[in-house]
Amino acid sequence: KQEVTQIPAALSVPEGENLVLNCSFTDSAIYNLQWFRQDPGKGLTSLLLIQSSQREQTSGRLNASLDKSSGRSTLYIAASQPGDSATYLCAVTSGGSYIPTFGRGTSLIVHP
Amino acid sequence: DAGVIQSPRHEVTEMGQEVTLRCKPISGHDYLFWYRQTMMRGLELLIYFNNNVPIDDSGMPEDRFSAKMPNASFSTLKIQPSEPRDSAVYFCASSLAFSGPGELFFGEGSRLTVL
Repeated sequence: KQEVTQIPAALSVPEGENLVLNCSFTDSAIYNLQWFRQDPGKGLTSLLLIQSSQREQTSGRLNASLDKSSGRSTLYIAASQPGDSATYLCAVTSGGSYIPTFGRGTSLIVHP
Repeated sequence: DAGVIQSPRHEVTEMGQEVTLRCKPISGHDYLFWYRQTMMRGLELLIYFNNNVPIDDSGMPEDRFSAKMPNASFSTLKIQPSEPRDSAVYFCASSLAFSGPGELFFGEGSRLTVL
C-alpha cells in the first residue's frame, strides 16, 4: 500500500524567501504525482501535475520535481508572498490501482 | 465549465439520521473520487468510479456508507444511520482518463456535523 509523507508539517517564513516542500512515497511504481494548495475551509486547488515519465513541471513561481528512484518529489516556491500562505498537499497515484494517495500536507505561513 | 459541484456545503444532523451528499463532476470526466478529510486522518479515499462503475470501495468505513453513480453527471454518498464520528469534510473529485486518471479537480466539499 502506498504511503505518502510530507515534511515539514508546518513552516513559517518571512516574505521573499525561496522555499522547498518535500513529499516522499514508498512505492515507486507511480502513474503520476500532483501538488495541491488548500486554503482554510476550501477545496483543493491543483498546482502542478507530473506524469511518471517526467522529471519536473513549472508554473510561474512554482517548480515541482520528481525522482521516482528515490521516492521523492519537491515543490519549490520562489520569492514567497503572504498570498502563498496555505496548506500544500501532494497526491501520488499508484500505477495499476490508479488510487491517488495523499500526504498530510505542509502548512505554510508567509509573513510580511 | 463550473467545476466540480457539491451539495450541500454544510450539513448538521443528529445521530441516527440519514445523510445524502451529492456531486456533479466536470462534464466529460471519466473518473470520480469520494474523499473524507479529518484533522486526525487527513484525506482518505472512500470510493472511486470509472465510467460510472465502482472500481474500489475498500475505503468505505462500514456498511452504513454507500455510494452510487447512476449516470456520468451525478453521484451520491449516503450515510445511514449517521454517527458523530462521521463528522468530517467530504470531497468529491473528478478527472479525465488517459490510461489512468489524469489531473484531479476537487469540489468545495460538504462539511458534515453529526450531533
